Amino acid sequence: DTGVSQNPRHKITKRGQNVTFRCDPISEHNRLYWYRQTLGQGPEFLTYFQNEAQLEKSRLLSDRFSAERPKGSFSTLEIQRTEQGDSAMYLCASSLLRGGTNTEAFFGQGTRLTVV
Amino acid sequence: DQQVKQNSPSLSVQEGRISILNCDYTNSMFDYFLWYKKYPAEGPTFLISISSIKDKNEDGRFTVFLNKSAKHLSLHIVPSQPGDSAVYFCAASEGNDMRFGAGTRLTVKP
Repeated sequence: DTGVSQNPRHKITKRGQNVTFRCDPISEHNRLYWYRQTLGQGPEFLTYFQNEAQLEKSRLLSDRFSAERPKGSFSTLEIQRTEQGDSAMYLCASSLLRGGTNTEAFFGQGTRLTVV
Repeated sequence: DQQVKQNSPSLSVQEGRISILNCDYTNSMFDYFLWYKKYPAEGPTFLISISSIKDKNEDGRFTVFLNKSAKHLSLHIVPSQPGDSAVYFCAASEGNDMRFGAGTRLTVKP
């Protein structure tokens, strides 16, 4: 296991199309996070899962965004009817909650989305 | 709402000198703080962390200081090296999601 893996690395799509990104976390990690980062900003929290349960969603996550982690392993983030404002780097991270204590999160390399 | 703030967008330091990156937070419930380093076209890489029960954590050239009363943390890099040039993000967690600052771009000049 070499870390958090995200696919694709880059995605260019036309406005109005749907896109789906995949994240494979570190295998023993039970927490998985999605963040969005735009130029000059830090990562903005979108949502996170503990195992297969989606425990929190940011208000940034509009109805066009949906995330799943069906078996508590990999996760997908889908954006429907993409808009130009969705263009950003989408980052996935995973961490291990052990004994009620969270550990550091490890990030994937991100998926850069460009909506034209 | 920006719960984690890095007020200096950039910092330039001479090689061999100390780099000090600062971060302020507003949520007193945060109990775990982290620093990440990010190179272009890569995801953030974990650097060092500190629990709220401590006020200092050191790992080689990197030391993180936490001042809970001031809701302030800082990252000290000494001696700074050109390879340290990157964007540094501080993050804070209260056990669930992590909140990030906007980042400080550190440039270490040879």
